[in-house]
Amino acid sequence: NAGVTQTPKFQVLKTGQSMTLQCAQDMNHNSMYWYRQDPGMGLRLIYYSASEGTTDKGEVPNGYNVSRLNKREFSLRLESAAPSQTSVYFCASSEGGALNTEAFFGQGTRLTVV
Amino acid sequence: RKEVEQDPGPFNVPEGATVAFNCTYSNSASQSFFWYRQDCRKEPKLLMSVYSSGNEDGRFTAQLNRASQYISLLIRDSKLSDSATYLCVVDTGTASKLTFGTGTRLQVTL
Repeated sequence: NAGVTQTPKFQVLKTGQSMTLQCAQDMNHNSMYWYRQDPGMGLRLIYYSASEGTTDKGEVPNGYNVSRLNKREFSLRLESAAPSQTSVYFCASSEGGALNTEAFFGQGTRLTVV
Repeated sequence: RKEVEQDPGPFNVPEGATVAFNCTYSNSASQSFFWYRQDCRKEPKLLMSVYSSGNEDGRFTAQLNRASQYISLLIRDSKLSDSATYLCVVDTGTASKLTFGTGTRLQVTL
């Protein structure tokens, strides 16, 4: 049972390069999320998707774009990477709805922008 | 004011001690509350949901105080394996948007 799968696990980018972080879940969840985690800052929501076909900005969306490709997949794109985007990125999914249920996380992507 | 606030710690306690963490939230419309555990360099995992009536799971007890807008986590008889960061998580009143606190680090020592 894979749960939430993120790729890649590690990435080093040069400033200005672009990349897409992939996320897929096999739990038939409606809601998916992208968070970043920085020391002392906790997990901050970048974007989320309450259901297939919808996306909304979270707390720190600048410099990112997302695509909810289908119910399973939710990708995060950095168009022009900056050193400030060095972070650990987590994708998560949950059943969603008015009363949220447990969120399941991928193993994270450790991104360094030099 | 942050949406979810926690004391970052670290809390250093001996094995067998009882330790309590508190978390405050700002959105009075929030409906769902959770405690997550995160081990070093790993993804967060659900420890327990927090219900209005309070709930217990073995050595762990979670309580919710809606009037004061805080939730708590009590760990009894601490084990070395309890060493981790504990994250308070609250929905923001908008469906499908969970907000995490910065986490409280617990270190249990011999």
